Amino acid sequence: SQTIHQWPATLVQPVGSPLSLECTVEGTSNPNLYWYRQAAGRGLQLLFYSVGIGQISSEVPQNLSASRPQDRQFILSSKKLLLSDSGFYLCAWGNRLGQGSYEQYFGPGTRLTVT
Amino acid sequence: GNSVTQMEGPVTLSEEAFLTINCTYTATGYPSLFWYVQYPGEGLQLLLKATKADDKGSNKGFEATYRKETTSFHLEKGSVQVSDSAVYFCALIPADRGSTLGRLYFGRGTQLTVWP
Repeated sequence: SQTIHQWPATLVQPVGSPLSLECTVEGTSNPNLYWYRQAAGRGLQLLFYSVGIGQISSEVPQNLSASRPQDRQFILSSKKLLLSDSGFYLCAWGNRLGQGSYEQYFGPGTRLTVT
Repeated sequence: GNSVTQMEGPVTLSEEAFLTINCTYTATGYPSLFWYVQYPGEGLQLLLKATKADDKGSNKGFEATYRKETTSFHLEKGSVQVSDSAVYFCALIPADRGSTLGRLYFGRGTQLTVWP
């Protein structure tokens, strides 16, 4: 069965410090991968998605970046964090079921607090 | 465009009460429809799904039926428990035979609190 891991689980970082969040998927190959952010008030915002190694698309302009160095690894980074980067970061992997239908599964999330 | 609208809540119920959380969507064709549940401090769990019209998704006593005519996917449970307290998200993935993206469009979530 497929599993998705994220680390760290929680992180407290000062403004201006760098960031690296990691996501790995097991039990599947060539998945679509996604980074979402959930700010206070629980709305979910898609940040990045990837359909393959080295292929990254951004949904919103920001000071975050993403990379996919391996098929099942997705990394979210920042060179200098802002207070507004605080939130709950969720990684997800997507699976195409056929006939144009899909499903998507989420990791446990990383709680980031920028101080 | 693609969008999901769900009742804002919060919804507060007594244990064993009947639950309905309304969800309607806007999309072309036949999107895949989902309900996700998020317990405090955790990630999202896929609760149920339906991929074509008139399909009924069900899991853990929850049900939702894909209604193309009303573009709805309302979540129901006949008898809620305290352990069902969580935030529930309705979502869709557009049908696009040519795309490998499969991105999700979410509603804003509905907080459910069940009292004993």
